[in-house]
Amino acid sequence: ILNVEQSPQSLHVQEGDSTNFTCSFPSSNFYALHWYRWETAKSPEALFVMTLNGDEKKKGRISATLNTKEGYSYLYIKGSQPEDSATYLCAFENQAGTALIFGKGTTLSVSS
Amino acid sequence: DVKVTQSSRYLVKRTGEKVFLECVQDMDHENMFWYRQDPGLGLRLIYFSYDVKMKEKGDIPEGYSVSREKKERFSLILESASTNQTSMYLCASSGSSTGNTIYFGEGSWLTVV
Repeated sequence: ILNVEQSPQSLHVQEGDSTNFTCSFPSSNFYALHWYRWETAKSPEALFVMTLNGDEKKKGRISATLNTKEGYSYLYIKGSQPEDSATYLCAFENQAGTALIFGKGTTLSVSS
Repeated sequence: DVKVTQSSRYLVKRTGEKVFLECVQDMDHENMFWYRQDPGLGLRLIYFSYDVKMKEKGDIPEGYSVSREKKERFSLILESASTNQTSMYLCASSGSSTGNTIYFGEGSWLTVV
């Protein structure tokens, strides 16, 4: 079973803080790295799908980078808001395109 | 808006019962998936399907089976429910190409007593 690791498991920040978390994944047989946000009582929602080494993607205050050679991706949130509170999941997709393998997630809590 | 619908949000079943969890997607997606979510274990893949009548085992298929008779519908079956199958079950779907976003349902909370 492939290992996708996320750290930290959880963190708590104050409104306005910027934060980042890490996803590490196998560097071989890589096709894509997916990021999802999962708010309580809702469906996980796609943030980014990243395929190219060095790729950077941005959506509002959230951005992500990708290093496929060393097998990691960072997710950044600038100026955290209480509505950013959620679990952030990353998922590895291999070149065969078989089902995504998810990390255990990072749970972010933002206090106002 | 894309939609993955899980028909039952909350279920309570007795040990030994046969349980059906139904999932329907309206996006004409080829791929459909069943995951379960448990605290500290993350999302784990139970089964997936690339086409009608086709199924593949995921990481934790024991105690489960699936059915995909129509493209839009993917059912998860617990042949004889056990207490260790108490969990939250998530259905998802995606298009057939690599790099596609997958879309999730809202989850089904199953308690086996």
